[in-house]
Formats: sequence, C-alpha cells, structure tokens
Amino acid sequence: GDSVTQMEGPVTLSEEAFLTINCTYTATGYPSLFWYVQYPGEGLQLLLKATKADDKGSNKGFEATYRKETTSFHLEKGSVQVSDSAVYFCALRGRNAGNMLTFGGGTRLMVKP
Amino acid sequence: DAGITQSPRHKVTETGTPVTLRCHQTENHRYMYWYRQDPGHGLRLIHYSYGVKDTDKGEVSDGYSVSRSKTEDFLLTLESATSSQTSVYFCAISDPSGGKRGDEQFFGPGTRLTVL
Repeated sequence: GDSVTQMEGPVTLSEEAFLTINCTYTATGYPSLFWYVQYPGEGLQLLLKATKADDKGSNKGFEATYRKETTSFHLEKGSVQVSDSAVYFCALRGRNAGNMLTFGGGTRLMVKP
Repeated sequence: DAGITQSPRHKVTETGTPVTLRCHQTENHRYMYWYRQDPGHGLRLIHYSYGVKDTDKGEVSDGYSVSRSKTEDFLLTLESATSSQTSVYFCAISDPSGGKRGDEQFFGPGTRLTVL
C-alpha cells in the first residue's frame, strides 16, 4: 500500500537558517503530493502541493519539488523565522476512490531567535 | 478558511463510556473524514464518508462507528471508550469535483479526547 516516510524531529534551527525536511513516498502510479503545517493548538493547513513529476509547489517562502525518480518531495525554505515553528506533515493522495490521504509521521520544527 | 467546526473541543471521559464527536461543515463538500493524531504516527484515517449515509472504513476503524444523516454533519462514536483511544481527533472535508482544489482536504480544529 501507499506510505510516506519523513525525517523524525524535532529539528531545531536558528532564525534565518536554511531548512530541509526530507520526505519520501511509496505509491502506485502518479500520486499527488502535499505538505501540511500544524501550528500549536490548531488543525492542519495545506502549505503547498504538486500533482505531477517535476512540479514545484511553493507558498510563504517554502518550496518542494516532485521528484519521481527518487520518489521524494523534500520541503525547503531559505531563511526560517520564529513564526515557522510548527509540525510539518508530508502526505500523498494515491489512486483511491475516497480521495484519501496517507500521511507521514510529522516533523516538529523549532526556530530560535 | 473552510467552515469546519468540531465539538466538543476537549473531553475527558472514563473507560467503558460511550462518546460521540461531531463534525459540522458549511462548505457543502461531499467527502468527510475522521482522523486520529498520535505522536510518531502522523494522522491515521478512521472512517470516511462519500455522501449522505455512505461511509467506509479507514486504516484504524476498530472500536469506532460513524454516521452521516445530513451533508453537513459527520458523527464519530466510540461505543465503549478505552484508554488506547486517548488521542486528538480531526475532521476533514474535500470536494473531488472542486477543480484544481479537488484533491485537497480541509481540516477542522480538532478534539482532544482523554479516556481515563
């Protein structure tokens, strides 16, 4: 079945540092890929997505490129801020009738001033 | 923000008691989902609905039942709560006919359930 693996956290960075959170997936065919963000005490919000190979999703300075050859969708940001502290989830929507998502385990990011 | 509310937001209950969590949407989305979130497991799908009175099981459905009598409401019931069901529960909605956003899910704020 479909699965998503992302790096375990927590990831602790200083403000303005470069961020990478790794995500790899296993799925049949060509899934859609997503990054969701969860701020403390809140639900998940879609951060960005990509629907086909070589697509780059971007939002709020974050980027991720759909790499089919390496089955990866790594999240990057050039300069993190304290306000980026949150839990980040990689997810995929594979071939299923229910529009269902498969999530990775989540990565907590802590950014220090 | 998508109009999704969950009630209650927090609940503490005892082992063996029934518990019902409610998800309400104002977006008229066809699909609704219940997930649980536990450390190290991300979100895992419990049940989902693809229309009024149409539901199906997810990855971790044992011990849970659902009902959907109206488009806007999706109920999750724990018939006899156990400590292993202590978790944060999230409702989500999606609309596959929603064009470019048809593959996205929109999440509610969550319900924190503690079973003692």
